[in-house]
Amino acid sequence: GAVVSQHPSRVICKSGTSVKIECRSLDFQATTMFWYRQFPKQSLMLMATSNEGSKATYEQGVEKDKFLINHASLTLSTLTVTSAHPEDSSFYICSARDQGGINIQYFGAGTRLSVL
Amino acid sequence: SQKIEQNSEALNIQEGKTATLTCNYTNYSPAYLQWYRQDPGRGPVFLLLIRENEKEKRKERLKVTFDTTLKQSLFHITASQPADSATYLCAPVGGSASKIIFGSGTRLSIRP
Repeated sequence: GAVVSQHPSRVICKSGTSVKIECRSLDFQATTMFWYRQFPKQSLMLMATSNEGSKATYEQGVEKDKFLINHASLTLSTLTVTSAHPEDSSFYICSARDQGGINIQYFGAGTRLSVL
Repeated sequence: SQKIEQNSEALNIQEGKTATLTCNYTNYSPAYLQWYRQDPGRGPVFLLLIRENEKEKRKERLKVTFDTTLKQSLFHITASQPADSATYLCAPVGGSASKIIFGSGTRLSIRP
């Protein structure tokens, strides 16, 4: 099956620093990737849709200047949390869409971000 | 606005019994509905997809039904095992290009 690799799996940083999270589709090309955030005991909340070669589409309430998304190739999307603060601490998960037309998403293992 | 509801925050089932999880949606006309499994601290894993013109889909011990009139999908795990313990997420999907929005999930615990 399709594999999506997400790195790092865990990051602890000081308030005010920026953190970059990578999402790679290992054995398929993904023109569209998605970024989700999940708080403890809550469901996944879609943050943005990452489109290869174009600007990301952000969901309502998500600050695009805070969460920078770059999808420069068909296998890599990055999410940068700029000037992170404790309230940004969360579990961030990326997914890549199957190109076969059925819209099955393959997820990365997630990144646990803790901002001190 | 579109809304997805999944039954109860947690479901506890005796091993060997059938677990039934419910997914209701409103203000949607999904072309199909997907079910995913999520283990703690991990990303979701795709399990099953059922199309709007399908009433039932099976995969090993899993069975999914889809009633577009009731706007409901049921997810069954037969002969449940402790290894089935996880959170299960449903996602009604509008089409191949649609973004996927997930329900709140049902946490299933299978006790030995």
